[in-house]
Amino acid sequence: GEDVEQSLFLSVREGDSSVINCTYTDSSSTYLYWYKQEPGAGLQLLTYIFSNMDMKQDQRLTVLLNKKDKHLSLRIADTQTGDSAIYFCAEMSNAGNMLTFGGGTRLMVKP
Amino acid sequence: DSGVTQTPKHLITATGQRVTLRCSPRSGDLSVYWYQQSLDQGLQFLIQYYNGEERAKGNILERFSAQQFPDLHSELNLSSLELGDSALYFCASATSGTGETQYFGPGTRLLVL
Repeated sequence: GEDVEQSLFLSVREGDSSVINCTYTDSSSTYLYWYKQEPGAGLQLLTYIFSNMDMKQDQRLTVLLNKKDKHLSLRIADTQTGDSAIYFCAEMSNAGNMLTFGGGTRLMVKP
Repeated sequence: DSGVTQTPKHLITATGQRVTLRCSPRSGDLSVYWYQQSLDQGLQFLIQYYNGEERAKGNILERFSAQQFPDLHSELNLSSLELGDSALYFCASATSGTGETQYFGPGTRLLVL
């Protein structure tokens, strides 16, 4: 079955870039996503990439997709304390229904 | 604010009881998805409805059921509750049945004592 893996924790200093990594196993994934969850809050869709793309940039966010290695990354430029949250990687099944989520990476931004 | 609303925000109940969680999708969205977020299982897809019909089923227990009404709001019914059902339950909505972009509500936090 599908599996999505992320490292548990990342700590960076304010102003640095953050890179959150994710690996997945389903080679037929159509879309891959990054969601952000702040404490006590729901999931906020940050960005997503279609599986035939290599890169997508949206303001401070850059998503890189290496389909051959099934590796997805999210780079946050100029990381701010407000970026502290849990970041979830997710893939869309080929059937186009359910999202399969990774376990989440907790990003801590130190001032 | 995603435009997806969920009620109630918090729910505390006892084992063996039954609860109903409600979700209203974003205006114009026909698909509703239910997910469960727990400490041990992470975020798991439960079930999807599209325009009133069940479209996909995930790891949903037989004690749980859902429906989508003609006005497109959805309810998730959880019965014979166990301690392990304590979790955050999210609803998400999408425009189409293939749900390329799912927008999540704020969730309902369920505590079973």
